[in-house]
Amino acid sequence: DSGVTQTPKHLITATGQRVTLRCSPRSGDLSVYWYQQSLDQGLQFLIQYYNGEERAKGNILERFSAQQFPDLHSELNLSSLELGDSALYFCASGRDNQPQHFGDGTRLSIL
Amino acid sequence: AQSVTQPDIHITVSEGASLELRCNYSYGATPYLFWYVQSPGQGLQLLLKYFSGDTLVQGIKGFEAEFKRSQSSFNLRKPSVHWSDAAEYFCAVGARNSGYALNFGKGTSLLVTP
Repeated sequence: DSGVTQTPKHLITATGQRVTLRCSPRSGDLSVYWYQQSLDQGLQFLIQYYNGEERAKGNILERFSAQQFPDLHSELNLSSLELGDSALYFCASGRDNQPQHFGDGTRLSIL
Repeated sequence: AQSVTQPDIHITVSEGASLELRCNYSYGATPYLFWYVQSPGQGLQLLLKYFSGDTLVQGIKGFEAEFKRSQSSFNLRKPSVHWSDAAEYFCAVGARNSGYALNFGKGTSLLVTP
């Protein structure tokens, strides 16, 4: 058990819809990272929040956004969903220059 | 540009044989290096990490990796593979100037035969 909790585990929705993925970091970790894993793109970094502030941005689409709340949990919002957004979305938490610990992921299927 | 390369997409080894998974990186800053393992339908588990110091690092499950700066490599090794080691292995690199966000290789799928 990594201590990072992601909900839901599975999400099935249709094109054009909007979904929210949730992540609770390990106790004491201030950073939350979001990654997308797909067959064609592999594991890609999307965005990082540190203590409520956006810290780094990767290959995140404009249709996607995230935030980190005062209790340090984070949400990743995906809107105007397309078939190509079907993927496994991972959240990781960590502390500066320490390894990140990953949740079990949310599997998003777009029909 | 920053990149991580795992040259081998698939590797098959016999149970009990030794294993080496290759990882090469191209990073401008001083990299932090990691190996993660992913079993089917599971999340990513950290095997080992290198930040500084001794270039040979020990990890969990009997794995080790050696950082070679001159070759920009961080290869993962195990002297004797067990059937339970069959999984996807990812090399990842992070750096302070990118908020320690990880750049992953494409992964190497390990198959273990009896």
